[in-house]
Amino acid sequence: DAGVIQSPRHEVTEMGQEVTLRCKPISGHDYLFWYRQTMMRGLELLIYFNNNVPIDDSGMPEDRFSAKMPNASFSTLKIQPSEPRDSAVYFCASSSGLAGGPGQFFGPGTRLTVL
Amino acid sequence: AQKVTQAQTEISVVEKEDVTLDCVYETRDTTYYLFWYKQPPSGELVFLIRRNSFDEQNEISGRYSWNFQKSTSSFNFTITASQVVDSAVYFCALSEPVSNFGNEKLTFGTGTRLTIIP
Repeated sequence: DAGVIQSPRHEVTEMGQEVTLRCKPISGHDYLFWYRQTMMRGLELLIYFNNNVPIDDSGMPEDRFSAKMPNASFSTLKIQPSEPRDSAVYFCASSSGLAGGPGQFFGPGTRLTVL
Repeated sequence: AQKVTQAQTEISVVEKEDVTLDCVYETRDTTYYLFWYKQPPSGELVFLIRRNSFDEQNEISGRYSWNFQKSTSSFNFTITASQVVDSAVYFCALSEPVSNFGNEKLTFGTGTRLTIIP
């Protein structure tokens, strides 16, 4: 398996623009997670899905952020409109949720810069 | 609320020295999971270990070892005979079990930046 795939790897946009980050989880994994990493706040869980259903979105910072998982192999995180403070590395992770399993596998991340 | 504290922000050691990274956690759950992840300069997060709260046995994997002590709420990570390739940021994490499976909702510590000096 290719692991968790994220696109794009880098995104530079201007304030006010819509940004869409994409994630393909590992095949067979039932859980998908979106994280944000910044110097100030470290790694934060934004939202996670189980079997394509959002379970907990309490980490989503504002209404400007939204996430969807239309099927088991694809998820998006959208920011509209984007602001400079959204600049961060966004990680997607997936896991099987099995007891004794190896935990969450992370994608390479998308580095977002909002000018 | 869950909390993970990694008090060591940065550590530098000379190659071949042993180094221990500290992790202290807080949780009200009786069942939880602890993790360590490595983030090398390339930026990806690499899973190292997952430990169930009911299993306090120490674990060794090559040059890596982990010491889990519930009495002190600590889950420390030791690298023996460190190598330059060990240079990375290391994160300790705690999961809140949402289902019987565990490992959902990770709370990360702030990380320890480890530099191995050749």
